[in-house]
Amino acid sequence: AQSVTQLGSHVSVSEGALVLLRCNYSSSVPPYLFWYVQYPNQGLQLLLKYTSAATLVKGINGFEAEFKKSETSFHLTKPSAHMSDAAEYFCAVRNQGGSEKLVFGKGTKLTVNP
Amino acid sequence: DTAVSQTPKYLVTQMGNDKSIKCEQNLGHDTMYWYKQDSKKFLKIMFSYNNKELIINETVPNRFSPKSPDKAHLNLHINSLELGDSAVYFCASSQARGTTEAFFGQGTRLTVV
Repeated sequence: AQSVTQLGSHVSVSEGALVLLRCNYSSSVPPYLFWYVQYPNQGLQLLLKYTSAATLVKGINGFEAEFKKSETSFHLTKPSAHMSDAAEYFCAVRNQGGSEKLVFGKGTKLTVNP
Repeated sequence: DTAVSQTPKYLVTQMGNDKSIKCEQNLGHDTMYWYKQDSKKFLKIMFSYNNKELIINETVPNRFSPKSPDKAHLNLHINSLELGDSAVYFCASSQARGTTEAFFGQGTRLTVV
């Protein structure tokens, strides 16, 4: 069964610092991987996705993630945090050609300090 | 135009009542979903429909009944509401089976008192 583990339920960084949010997946077949962001009282917005093309994926708002099969990881990074990046971030996995559902990690709340 | 829209956005109701949440998508997608987000922000799928056919039915009490009149709509009806049903319910849609991301609505915050 596919699953996602997000290490760290809370991450706090200073404005301008590197953002690193960790995601490890478990899947018996090559997966599709996604990062979503949720701002307070809003729905989920797709940041980026990996669908077996390039392993380094660039997304919106300056975020990127690298798929590393050997480490079963898909960590999200941004070189310089902005106050507006404060939100909840979710990693999700879906098996290629298999189950229809997205399986989400438990989320990481990012706080950006001035 | 909103891609995936849910109504209502907020719903406060008493235990034992029956309520419905409506969802519509204008993206031309074939697959629609209901997800539940609990107080700890954990997202779990409840149901999925593909072209009006139920394809995923997770372990959900049978008080919850989805209905898809056409592939652009997926409604959620909840009977005999309980305190534990309080959560944010998200509707989502995706283009094709298992290949693309899901687009989410803004959510319906259900509070049962």
